[in-house]
Amino acid sequence: DTGVSQDPRHKITKRGQNVTFRCDPISEHNRLYWYRQTLGQGPEFLTYFQNEAQLEKSRLLSDRFSAERPKGSFSTLEIQRTEQGDSAMYLCASSLARTAYEQYFGPGTRLTVT
Amino acid sequence: AQKVTQAQTEISVVEKEDVTLDCVYETRDTTYYLFWYKQPPSGELVFLIRRNSFDEQNEISGRYSWNFQKSTSSFNFTITASQVVDSAVYFCALSAVNYGGATNKLIFGTGTLLAVQP
Repeated sequence: DTGVSQDPRHKITKRGQNVTFRCDPISEHNRLYWYRQTLGQGPEFLTYFQNEAQLEKSRLLSDRFSAERPKGSFSTLEIQRTEQGDSAMYLCASSLARTAYEQYFGPGTRLTVT
Repeated sequence: AQKVTQAQTEISVVEKEDVTLDCVYETRDTTYYLFWYKQPPSGELVFLIRRNSFDEQNEISGRYSWNFQKSTSSFNFTITASQVVDSAVYFCALSAVNYGGATNKLIFGTGTLLAVQP
């Protein structure tokens, strides 16, 4: 499968725990985006990388959130001290920089904070 | 600021009916892209169409058609002869055109849940 993959697909955690999600983009794609989708809403942009550089962060990305893309390939999104309000679907998308409007989405990681 | 409004939260139709999903957008950009995505219960976003703001021609793909009207900032989506498999949440989205350094983040509406009853 050469699409965008995300791991895990589902994560249940207790409030206060740290969680980390992984996204593997399409191999030749140099852009990687993270979005968050809460129940009944559309996806909202969190941050994006071009190669290993994180170029923009949304105000939604509080200081408990950190994202990395160390070698310009896969990316991780970590949430520290999770809160119930962090419960959402976390979507990853990748693209080429020159055609960044053509974003390919992964299946998402559904986080439930109890 | 960019914004996408999908005023219809839920629509329920009976199979074989035609249904139109509305999308109204706001942007200060003179060039932009508009999109429709489908999200079935599995959760994965499925790309349906992308439209450049320069191209106001309507498009038809099988049972799907899209009506882009720049004058009213609308990009509506019609499913003809709906089927149960069309049941999903449909999102309209907006993005800036890719100039150097542009984020090209997608701005999504809140979605319309379409339920097609047999």
